[in-house]
Amino acid sequence: GIQVEQSPPDLILQEGANSTLRCNFSDSVNNLQWFHQNPWGQLINLFYIPSGTKQNGRLSATTVATERYSLLYISSSQTTDSGVYFCAVEQHNQGGKLIFGQGTELSVKP
Amino acid sequence: DVKVTQSSRYLVKRTGEKVFLECVQDMDHENMFWYRQDPGLGLRLIYFSYDVKMKEKGDIPEGYSVSREKKERFSLILESASTNQTSMYLCASSRGGTQPQHFGDGTRLSIL
Repeated sequence: GIQVEQSPPDLILQEGANSTLRCNFSDSVNNLQWFHQNPWGQLINLFYIPSGTKQNGRLSATTVATERYSLLYISSSQTTDSGVYFCAVEQHNQGGKLIFGQGTELSVKP
Repeated sequence: DVKVTQSSRYLVKRTGEKVFLECVQDMDHENMFWYRQDPGLGLRLIYFSYDVKMKEKGDIPEGYSVSREKKERFSLILESASTNQTSMYLCASSRGGTQPQHFGDGTRLSIL
């Protein structure tokens, strides 16, 4: 099956710093989503981005489907950005089944 | 905004009990999903449904069953709970086809 690898596995930032999280996938996909899981376990949908670039405030994401990777960029990080960031992909004709990466655990220090 | 509501945030049950986890969505979504999340194993799909009374096995269906009698509600059933089913359970829904999934707040289930 498809492999989804995220890097780095852990990241510690000082408040105000910028960061880039990466998601590599081993086969073509027709859906890619980025999620943030907060310390209370809630999984928040950040981006639905099978290709191209999107921006939402301090967050932006880019997916290069032909090269099988996606990037999540966090600018001017805040302590509330702490948590785990997941990339998830769906392959063609899989009925919406998402395959999740193992996540990047981000800790933003004040 | 899409709202996916799971019936409990925390639940404690005993080994051998029949356990029901309920999930309701308010956006008339066709697809609904149940995942479990465990440390070191990530999120894994248990079952999903793309229509009323329809269900498909995910990657780890053993020990679970599901019910979808109404479009907005998707229930996960542990027929005879065991300690290895202690986990975080997450429900999601999507409009269908290749559309973004939206998650509930999760249920932390402990089986004693």
